[in-house]
Amino acid sequence: AQSVTQPDIHITVSEGASLELRCNYSYGATPYLFWYVQSPGQGLQLLLKYFSGDTLVQGIKGFEAEFKRSQSSFNLRKPSVHWSDAAEYFCAVGSWGKFQFGAGTQVVVTP
Amino acid sequence: KAGVTQTPRYLIKTRGQQVTLSCSPISGHRSVSWYQQTPGQGLQFLFEYFSETQRNKGNFPGRFSGRQFSNSRSEMNVSTLELGDSALYLCASSLAGGLVSTDTQYFGPGTRLTVL
Repeated sequence: AQSVTQPDIHITVSEGASLELRCNYSYGATPYLFWYVQSPGQGLQLLLKYFSGDTLVQGIKGFEAEFKRSQSSFNLRKPSVHWSDAAEYFCAVGSWGKFQFGAGTQVVVTP
Repeated sequence: KAGVTQTPRYLIKTRGQQVTLSCSPISGHRSVSWYQQTPGQGLQFLFEYFSETQRNKGNFPGRFSGRQFSNSRSEMNVSTLELGDSALYLCASSLAGGLVSTDTQYFGPGTRLTVL
């Protein structure tokens, strides 16, 4: 059965510092992997996705993620966070017709 | 173009009642998926419709049902509401399921259902 684990429930980062959010998955084949962001009271917005090919994926808002098959990981990174990056971030695995989401990581940005 | 819209945005019901939520996908999108989001269980897949047919279903009781119309608009129905059904219900649309590199699943703002 497929599963997605986000080990960090909550991360606090200073504005301007780098950010890395962890995501581990369990899946029988090469998965389709996604990162979404959810701001308070909003739906989910897609940051980036991985289907195949280059394992370093560039997304919107300056985010990138790296797919590491050997570690079953798809970690999200941003070199320098902005106050507007405070939100909840979800990693997801997609299989035909349905997505499975991790529990989410709440990111707090301090001045 | 207009995004995914969900109506109503907020809803308050009492136990035992039933409720219908509506989702209008982005124009041209034929796949609509529904998700339940709660603090305890997180985001859970309910079902997906494609061209008026339920293509996939999550692990929810039969009280949760849905349908899709010929214009791709979708409705979700929950009968005999329970307190635990209080949640944010999110709808997402895509051209064909969001699982090809050229396709993306777009989410609506959700309907906040409170069951008293």
